[in-house]
Amino acid sequence: QVQLVQSGNEVKEPGASVKVSCKGSGFIFNTYAFSWVRQAPGQGLEWMGLISATNGKTNYAQSFQGRVAMTTDTSTSTAYMELRSLRSDDTAVYYCGRNYNDGSLHPWGQGTLVTVS
Amino acid sequence: EIVLTQSPGTLSLSPGERATLSCRASQSIANNFLAWYQQKPGQAPRLLIYGASSRATGIPDRFSGSGSGTDFTLTISRLEPEDFAVYYCQQYGSSPLYSFGQGTKLEIK
Repeated sequence: QVQLVQSGNEVKEPGASVKVSCKGSGFIFNTYAFSWVRQAPGQGLEWMGLISATNGKTNYAQSFQGRVAMTTDTSTSTAYMELRSLRSDDTAVYYCGRNYNDGSLHPWGQGTLVTVS
Repeated sequence: EIVLTQSPGTLSLSPGERATLSCRASQSIANNFLAWYQQKPGQAPRLLIYGASSRATGIPDRFSGSGSGTDFTLTISRLEPEDFAVYYCQQYGSSPLYSFGQGTKLEIK
């Protein structure tokens, strides 16, 4: 079945970097784009950016420009999101989602909790 | 920049009742690129509605979406116990490329 499986939870110190992976299966990975969305504890959803697995083009939300890098490895059907210079307010669950042309996201990965402490 | 405002913040209803959730955009959303998601505690969001009114695969027909321009509605015709969750609307295509509403919590009365 179509699914996205993310890497495990992480604990990082302030100032460090974290890299989260998102492995797709059940579909042709390099025909889609992938978004990353985060959710701080008890808060709503915040879009971070997206990457096309077709051509590697990225579009980052302004609030993450300069601090985030999204990549894909089509040989392993995996998308990656690296966030640098972590702060305590980066503590959140990070999700990946597969983009459709109308902008809807389906499916989503199970989420990766990143704790900065 | 498009801002999505959902109302009400919390909706208290009983199983079997009808739920109406609103999502208002600060500017018109082109092509009706408006989606709705359901999120239960400890779970990832699940796509319910895309293109403002099309149900995603496997979504029961008690869920329906409507609206265009700046005003959109998610309706659950007859609430089942498993429908109590948080619902988010999301737009695509305007600046910023994506944005989400703040969510509506649907709770059991």
